[in-house]
Formats: sequence, structure tokens, C-alpha cells
Amino acid sequence: GENVEQHPSTLSVQEGDSAVIKCTYSDSASNYFPWYKQELGKRPQLIIDIRSNVGEKKDQRIAVTLNKTAKHFSLHITETQPEDSAVYFCAARFNNAGNMLTFGGGTRLMVKP
Amino acid sequence: GAVVSQHPSWVICKSGTSVKIECRSLDFQATTMFWYRQFPKQSLMLMATSNEGSKATYEQGVEKDKFLINHASLTLSTLTVTSAHPEDSSFYICSAEGQGAEQYFGPGTRLTVT
Repeated sequence: GENVEQHPSTLSVQEGDSAVIKCTYSDSASNYFPWYKQELGKRPQLIIDIRSNVGEKKDQRIAVTLNKTAKHFSLHITETQPEDSAVYFCAARFNNAGNMLTFGGGTRLMVKP
Repeated sequence: GAVVSQHPSWVICKSGTSVKIECRSLDFQATTMFWYRQFPKQSLMLMATSNEGSKATYEQGVEKDKFLINHASLTLSTLTVTSAHPEDSSFYICSAEGQGAEQYFGPGTRLTVT
């Protein structure tokens, strides 16, 4: 079935450094890739998304890149701050699954001050 | 915009009873809503897709007679956990689909079955 792999499962960085989280997906026809941030005990919040017709999207300190050939996409956070500490989930929408999203396993990001 | 509410935020019930959880899109209409279950420190597991005016589509391994879903309007979907057992204790989160097929999540409901 559809599969989304996310790495690393935990990531610790120093404040001000960059953080990169990578995901791979199985269905080459997937067309929508959102990223969610979930703080402890709270709902997942959509922070950025990318559709299959573009290769990169940026929003202030956050950027997402998509490589359709290799079937992977990445989240880049620059100038990390302690408030960036959270669990981040990637997801992919597979064409043969309606509008369902399949989520990666999550990455716990810790930004040390 | 794109606010989704969920009620209750937490509930404790006795084994064998039923619990209803509501998911509402407050400022937009959602033809499609999704119900997820999340275990501690784990990812979101899709339970079912809820479509307004039609039967829900359940994921493999999810008992439709145990987890009853009703999507009676474009702003409300409900999940009823029937005959709850301790193993049903979990964090249940709904999401509502926006116009561009983005999903906006509710705050979640923590269910504890004693």
C-alpha cells in the first residue's frame, strides 16, 4: 500500500542552526505534500505544503523542496528558535486514495537555547 | 479562517458505555472530514473518511460497527465509540478538508475508558 517514510525520528539542533527533515513516498502519482507541526498535547498545525507542479516553496524561515523523480521531499527550517521545538509530520496524498493523507512517522525536533 | 473545533476535549467513561465526539468546521464548509487516532509519541492513523450525506469509508482493521460515523451536515461530523473498552483509550483527532484539499485539524479528544 501507500507508504511515507520520515527521517530522522529525533533531531536536536542548537538555536540558530538549520534543521532538515526528509520524507520519501511510494506512489509516483502523489500530488500534494503538506507538513504539520504538533506541539505537545495540541493539534497538528499545517505549516507549509507543496504541490507536485513545483519544486520548492518558501515561507520565511521554512522551506519545502520536492524531488518527484526520487520521490522525496524535505522540510528546511533555518535560524531555528526554541519555539520551533515540536513534532513535525510530513504527509502525502496518493492519487488512488481519494483525498486521504498518509502520514510519516514524525520527527521530534529539539532546539537547544 | 479554517478553524475546526472538537468536543469534548477529554472524556472518561466506563467500560461498555458509548461516547460521542463532535467535529465542527466553524468558518467553512467541509464535504469531507477525517477521523484519526493517535497513540502517545506516534503518528496519526487514519480511521475513516467521512463524507457529508453518505456512508463513511473505513480503513482496514477499523470496525465500522464499533466506531460509528455520521456526517449529517457540511459543518458537523460525529464519531461514536460504542461499547467502549480500555483498549479504545486514545487521542482521537478529526480534520476537515478545505477548498484546496488541505486538512485542518481539530484540537483532539482524549478518551479514557476505565
